[in-house]
Amino acid sequence: RKEVEQDPGPFNVPEGATVAFNCTYSNSASQSFFWYRQDCRKEPKLLMSVYSSGNEDGRFTAQLNRASQYISLLIRDSKLSDSATYLCVVNSPRGTGFQKLVFGTGTRLLVSP
Amino acid sequence: DAGVIQSPRHEVTEMGQEVTLRCKPISGHNSLFWYRQTMMRGLELLIYFNNNVPIDDSGMPEDRFSAKMPNASFSTLKIQPSEPRDSAVYFCASSGRAGVGYEQYFGPGTRLTVT
Repeated sequence: RKEVEQDPGPFNVPEGATVAFNCTYSNSASQSFFWYRQDCRKEPKLLMSVYSSGNEDGRFTAQLNRASQYISLLIRDSKLSDSATYLCVVNSPRGTGFQKLVFGTGTRLLVSP
Repeated sequence: DAGVIQSPRHEVTEMGQEVTLRCKPISGHNSLFWYRQTMMRGLELLIYFNNNVPIDDSGMPEDRFSAKMPNASFSTLKIQPSEPRDSAVYFCASSGRAGVGYEQYFGPGTRLTVT
């Protein structure tokens, strides 16, 4: 089983729609969670961190469910510019105290006019 | 502020040649990561350094791959000899101390093609 799993999509939505992605993780010791965005032929860029209480950044809302070990990302009022691949990222603690981030394979979003 | 800098941005080489990829992390960051991304396998962590010391190289595919970090502002990833299956985008990322929550910031990547 992969440490981080995502639906690869693609999710095809019209402009203005609301879309949600889920991601599950297997390491119950994980403490840090992120969503990254990757445009075609570009590097991954941090979109937002995910906090236990849930957090919102403009049209984007992230939620964490520790009991079920899943993370979600909600995008409201989708824009054409939101078309990208969204990577779910979870830290994987090591006994040495060092952290490693594990990246999901990404969910592709296509927003059409 | 300058982000992570990688060079070259594109590299085309013939099988058997040595390839060296370079990375300059964000100033003040103490962790550096090398990743490889392909369509088939996604983003794979190859190796990471903390305070210039290699901590985990379990992702390095085989002995043909080696990485060094001689100082806090420079790292190299070397492939020798290169093979067509090494064709991928190689990203370098850096991260600050624990206080920033371990977010990683990626460079623009090096697109490697081995023919």
